[in-house]
Amino acid sequence: EIVLTQSPGTLSLSPGERATLSCRASQSVSGTYLAWYQQKPGQAPSLLIYGASSRATGIPDRFSGSGSDTDFSLTISRLEPEDFAVYYCQQYGSSPTTFGQGTKVEIK
Amino acid sequence: EVQLVESGGGLVKPGGSLRVSCADSGITFTDTWMSWVRQAPGKGLEWVGRIKSKIDGGTTDYAAPVKGRFTISRDDSKNTVYLQMNSLKTEDTAVYYCTAERSCGGGSCAYYWGQGTLVTVSS
Repeated sequence: EIVLTQSPGTLSLSPGERATLSCRASQSVSGTYLAWYQQKPGQAPSLLIYGASSRATGIPDRFSGSGSDTDFSLTISRLEPEDFAVYYCQQYGSSPTTFGQGTKVEIK
Repeated sequence: EVQLVESGGGLVKPGGSLRVSCADSGITFTDTWMSWVRQAPGKGLEWVGRIKSKIDGGTTDYAAPVKGRFTISRDDSKNTVYLQMNSLKTEDTAVYYCTAERSCGGGSCAYYWGQGTLVTVSS
């Protein structure tokens, strides 16, 4: 199965700053089938990005995804207070689908 | 608005069984692939398994740690998907999320999520 490694484990930033999260796959991700999810404390995850770079319905354009093959990233251009959360990447191109271990974006 | 509502979680002894349910509203359930994802306390997300729509064969797939112990089924007349868990182990303790999949750029990803139901396996 494909192992996804996210870095850093924790990102400490201030509101208004730019956040860049990384997701590296142990093998090539078929079809750029890579998604990003956001999870706030006590809540279920919610889909942000799919297909490596397409925003899900209602996701603001400060969130952007990029990458291909084994290297992917999620960028939040200017952090809003509601963006402090844990972010997970997921590959859904190979069975079984797998998730990264998560990156926590916390307020500095 | 899409709503997925899980129910049936609780405390069960090791070796016991439990069935959790997920009722949907707001999507065309019969056409939708449904999956279960779990999250152990303080840990990350782990895919449990999926059931395809009947029109796509209604087949199921499972993660290795639960294969042979867990069974996913669906009742399209009730817009409900089930997760039957047998031979439960302490390491199965987690919040179990139901998800509704949609086409995500060609592949299928977890587009909608329920609020989760907690399953605790402990003596």
